[in-house]
Amino acid sequence: DAMVIQNPRYQVTQFGKPVTLSCSQTLNHNVMYWYQQKSSQAPKLLFHYYDKDFNNEADTPDNFQSRRPNTSFCFLDIRSPGLGDAAMYLCATSSTLRRQPQHFGDGTRLSIL
Amino acid sequence: GQNIDQPTEMTATEGAIVQINCTYQTSGFNGLFWYQQHAGEAPTFLSYNVLDGLEEKGRFSSFLSRSKGYSYLLLKELQMKDSASYLCAVIDSNYQLIWGAGTKLIIKP
Repeated sequence: DAMVIQNPRYQVTQFGKPVTLSCSQTLNHNVMYWYQQKSSQAPKLLFHYYDKDFNNEADTPDNFQSRRPNTSFCFLDIRSPGLGDAAMYLCATSSTLRRQPQHFGDGTRLSIL
Repeated sequence: GQNIDQPTEMTATEGAIVQINCTYQTSGFNGLFWYQQHAGEAPTFLSYNVLDGLEEKGRFSSFLSRSKGYSYLLLKELQMKDSASYLCAVIDSNYQLIWGAGTKLIIKP
């Protein structure tokens, strides 16, 4: 089935040790999003790609970077994770930016030791 | 600022009906989504409203009143598997998606 796949489901890293989360999609959607979601809070958009055009939210820390090498894959790099970065990270896709529902992967739960 | 309000938590009984409200104040409006999110899982799309009125989809219905900045999600014949958080999200005039914090729905036997 066409879907959005995130790896790994659970990631543990050490304080300050770089970590990369991955997302792939078989929907052939133009837009890919990365969200951070903490317990009982709304998902917080970090950035999105429209094709290869990268759009960073104004309040996304510089510690968070992203790469989209091709249509199917997108990566979230956290350069120096802090304790406050422990959260669920959600990847989503949509066919366009306008009025289309977003399709989410199962998320990666990141823990910081 | 932009704001979406939903009750934090609701409780209902299996087999009953529950209505989850969402009010929004956003810069423009281009549609409203409802998503379901089970604990520890990703949100899944439930419904989309852009015109006033009721959209029915099986046991779930979603209503929109743009003049009142108001929507609700109606769940009928509640089942235990409906225990989840329900998130309301609005597309503003810049086509940004503004998310509510979600309503945790607890279903009791």
